[in-house]
Amino acid sequence: NAGVMQNPRHLVRRRGQEARLRCSPMKGHSHVYWYRQLPEEGLKFMVYLQKENIIDESGMPKERFSAEFPKEGPSILRIQQVVRGDSAAYFCASSPPGSTDTQYFGPGTRLTVL
Amino acid sequence: TQLLEQSPQFLSIQEGENLTVYCNSSSVFSSLQWYRQEPGEGPVLLVTVVTGGEVKKLKRLTFQFGDARKDSSLHITAAQPGDTGLYLCAGRAGGTSYGKLTFGQGTILTVHP
Repeated sequence: NAGVMQNPRHLVRRRGQEARLRCSPMKGHSHVYWYRQLPEEGLKFMVYLQKENIIDESGMPKERFSAEFPKEGPSILRIQQVVRGDSAAYFCASSPPGSTDTQYFGPGTRLTVL
Repeated sequence: TQLLEQSPQFLSIQEGENLTVYCNSSSVFSSLQWYRQEPGEGPVLLVTVVTGGEVKKLKRLTFQFGDARKDSSLHITAAQPGDTGLYLCAGRAGGTSYGKLTFGQGTILTVHP
């Protein structure tokens, strides 16, 4: 029974490049969430998605960041024109239908911007 | 302003000792979760509590949700070196949209053999 899967585990980008982070939820889970953990800070909510729908993106920076959860395939968090301040650990979580508060996290993608 | 305040921030104890970690807020929470995170890994869900006054036990770990649903505690009995890690409380504050969890800053626990 595989848990939440994220790839890549580590990603290095130069300033101005694009970063694409992927997340496959647990089997049977239909809700996906993205969180960011900055150095010396706690986990911060970014976005909540269901298949083909963005439910809550109140934690997403207004520019350069986007997320999707297509009908087929993993959820993608996309960061365009990365800057050094985007360096962080990005975690994806999923929850089963009808239980949005009980979230199971993946191992995270550690993004380093040079 | 931190919606969820955890204390202590750091805890260093000897194997066999008991400890309690606290998670406090001035807001009412619809639910509260406790996670444990190890370096380089994602948070692992330990428990979810939803009812005021609820107590849940997981082996040597006891979780309590305050009667007013504004606070929670995690008590570990006879701590072992394997309990070492970052403990996080998280929850959805009343009035917050579904799925949006707020996390505390965490308690770093070190258990020495």
